Amino acid sequence: QKEVEQNSGPLSVPEGAIASLNCTYSDRGSQSFFWYRQYSGKSPELIMSIYSNGDKEDGRFTAQLNKASQYVSLLIRDSQPSDSATYLCAVNSGGSSGSARQLTFGSGTQLTVLP
Amino acid sequence: GAGVSQTPSNKVTEKGKYVELRCDPISGHTALYWYRQSLGQGPEFLIYFQGTGAADDSGLPNDRFFAVRPEGSVSTLKIQRTERGDSAVYLCASTPLPPRGYTFGSGTRLTVV
Repeated sequence: QKEVEQNSGPLSVPEGAIASLNCTYSDRGSQSFFWYRQYSGKSPELIMSIYSNGDKEDGRFTAQLNKASQYVSLLIRDSQPSDSATYLCAVNSGGSSGSARQLTFGSGTQLTVLP
Repeated sequence: GAGVSQTPSNKVTEKGKYVELRCDPISGHTALYWYRQSLGQGPEFLIYFQGTGAADDSGLPNDRFFAVRPEGSVSTLKIQRTERGDSAVYLCASTPLPPRGYTFGSGTRLTVV
């Protein structure tokens, strides 16, 4: 079983809709959770971080964390064609939120926003 | 610098040759990480440094891979006797401590022919 799992997609949504991206992880000791956006041929770019249960909103993005279910999601409201990219879920397993331990990445979900 | 800088951006080498990939992190970032990413996959951890020392090298696939960070800033990933399976994008990232998420460099695309 992979440590961080994502639906590879592709996920297609119409412009203006809400895109919902999901991620599950296996290590119950995980403390920090991140969403990265990666455009084709480019490096990953951090868009959201979340450390405690509940929702965290930043502009059109909302990250949701449920540690009991080992589940983290990313909602993108009012999706735009420029949001079309691969979204990577990353988990810092073990240690405190201050630990420099490495992140474990999922394989990513490819999102296409149709104009 | 303003961001994480990686050189070269592209490297084509023949099977069996030695290569060095360079990473210049954001100034003041204590932690530095090397990942590699194959097509359609997420980044795969190789090694990370806190300061000058390798804090965790458990992701290095075999003893052909080695990395250094002698002065706690620039890091070099070294691959000996390259194989075609080493072809991938090698990503470097850095973060201050406590970490607030990585900042990745633009990567080095390594192609072994």
